[in-house]
Amino acid sequence: QVQLEESGPGLMQPSETLSLTCTVSGFSLTSNGVGWVRQPLGKGLVWMGTIWAGGSTNYNSAVQSRLSISRDTSKSQVFLKMNSLQPEDTGTYYCARQRQLYPYYFDYWGQGVMVTVSS
Amino acid sequence: DIQMTQSPASLSASLGETVTIECRASEDIYNGLAWYQQKPGKSPQLLIYNANSLHTGVPSRFSGSGSGTQYSLKINSLQSEDVASYFCQQYYDYLTFGSGTKLEIK
Repeated sequence: QVQLEESGPGLMQPSETLSLTCTVSGFSLTSNGVGWVRQPLGKGLVWMGTIWAGGSTNYNSAVQSRLSISRDTSKSQVFLKMNSLQPEDTGTYYCARQRQLYPYYFDYWGQGVMVTVSS
Repeated sequence: DIQMTQSPASLSASLGETVTIECRASEDIYNGLAWYQQKPGKSPQLLIYNANSLHTGVPSRFSGSGSGTQYSLKINSLQSEDVASYFCQQYYDYLTFGSGTKLEIK
């Protein structure tokens, strides 16, 4: 069955670079997109960016200058890297499978990984 | 960027009641809208896509409607397991989520 699992450090210092990994199973990264979504504690969902089946990426303009999404198809892993972290980057980060063709909804989600940015 | 305005922010209703959650887009999104349910401590789950198409396995008491810039999610015969936050999302032009609606049982 389709599964996604996020992993990464729970605590980061301001100005550091966050690196998260999304390991997927039950589907191919060359047939589906994978997106990253952030959720501050007790707040709403914010789309960060997506890597598509062909390897191209789209980013939310609010974080585009700090964000990079890449993948290793041989390991079924998608990576998120975001630099210049600030306390407002604190939250739960989800990866989710995204339809490669329109409509571009998320049909499977990981359980999320909590990231706290604090000195 | 397309903005999504969701209302109400919170909602309290009795078991068996019908509730409606609204989402307004800042421009026409041509039915490019999904609804997600997020139960406490869990990840979001897809309910509806293309404004009115029920995702596989979602109970038929959930339904979506709307067009243009105005969309709604209706839950008939409210059940205790429907306690959750609900989010709309437009995917017509990149992706934007609404701010969410927290649904509680009265």
